[in-house]
Formats: sequence, structure tokens, C-alpha cells
Amino acid sequence: LAKTTQPISMDSYEGQEVNITCSHNNIATNDYITWYQQFPSQGPRFIIQGYKTKVTNEVASLFIPADRKSSTLSLPRVSLSDTAVYYCLVGGSGYSTLTFGKGTMLLVSP
Amino acid sequence: GAGVSQSPRYKVAKRGQDVALRCDPISGHVSLFWYQQALGQGPEFLTYFQNEAQLDKSGLPSDRFFAERPEGSVSTLKIQRTQQEDSAVYLCASSLVGGVAFFGQGTRLTVV
Repeated sequence: LAKTTQPISMDSYEGQEVNITCSHNNIATNDYITWYQQFPSQGPRFIIQGYKTKVTNEVASLFIPADRKSSTLSLPRVSLSDTAVYYCLVGGSGYSTLTFGKGTMLLVSP
Repeated sequence: GAGVSQSPRYKVAKRGQDVALRCDPISGHVSLFWYQQALGQGPEFLTYFQNEAQLDKSGLPSDRFFAERPEGSVSTLKIQRTQQEDSAVYLCASSLVGGVAFFGQGTRLTVV
């Protein structure tokens, strides 16, 4: 399973755009990249998933360069409620054990 | 229900007691996962079911941990003779095969 590396923590202010980058140098050809958000005392919540180039939904955008060895989660105009831990995972389109790392703790301040 | 449901939300057990944690997956989801999350850490994989078949139990930390999904829907994670190091949040997730996994709220187990 591909290992991921992401910053332990990030700080931002309300209204700013936040970009969290994840490295996954050993990503396999059939692996997708998935991001989850987790608040204290809650289970991880799916944010976005992509394979290549760019994916956008109502919550975030995911940028994946051509070599797919990294990906960037972009959160536009964050609010205090975006304070959470964000996990980057890579895995195949079939069964995958979804290996979580330590995630990135994002703190949004007023 | 619309999401993955876990019960109980909180469980306090005395050391040595057996506990059973329940997971109701999203209807129609074939895949079901159990994870253990210690404080300040990411979720750690325990076991995976596809329908009623337990295809991977490599993450179960000891033979005191046992999971079942007899009819391919509801799953139970059982921990026998609980120990303090078992204190953690136990998360259940379900998905279509190869699809995005959706997580429940978790059960916080405290062993005293």
C-alpha cells in the first residue's frame, strides 16, 4: 500500500484559501486519492476523491499533477468550522484497507 | 437509516469484562470495515468483510478480538477479557465494492 506524507499541522484565518499537500511517491497505477475530514468525537467524513488532474465538488478541489506522486486539497474561504484533521489516503479501485496516516490538523482562527 | 450507525456510542467496561460493539452499515453496502482509533492517532485497520465473508482480519491485535457479520449486513465486534490498552474509539465503515467508504460516529470504549 502506498504510504502518504502530509504536514502535521497548519494554521489559517477565516476567509483564506487553504492548500494541504500530500506526498505519495509509491502510488500504484490503479490507486485513487481520497481525502477525509475528521472532527473530534466523530468518524471521518469523505471530502473528495480523484485519480488525475483536477476534481471539484461543493466543498473542495483536488489537484493531482501528471506524475500523481502528490496531491493538493484546496479549501476555499475557510471558516472556523473547517478546523479539523484532514487525512489523505491512496488505494485501489477495488478492495482496499484504507490506510490512514496521522493526518493534518488544520486550525482556523478568527 | 441514511448513514452508518454504531451502538453504543460510549461504553465503560471493567478490566476483564467482555464487550460487543454493533455496526449497522448503509443498506446495500457490501463492504464493511472496522477500525480502532487511539487518542491523537489516525484510524488503524482491524478487519474487512465482503458480505458475510471476513476477507481480511490482519489488523486484529489479538485473539481476544473477534468480528462477525453473519447475514451480510449488521456486524458485531467483540472484545473478550478487555484490557486497558483496548481503550479507544472503534469505527465502522461501509461501502459498495471499490466505492467510497462512509464511517459511523464510532463507539468510545473506556476500560477501567
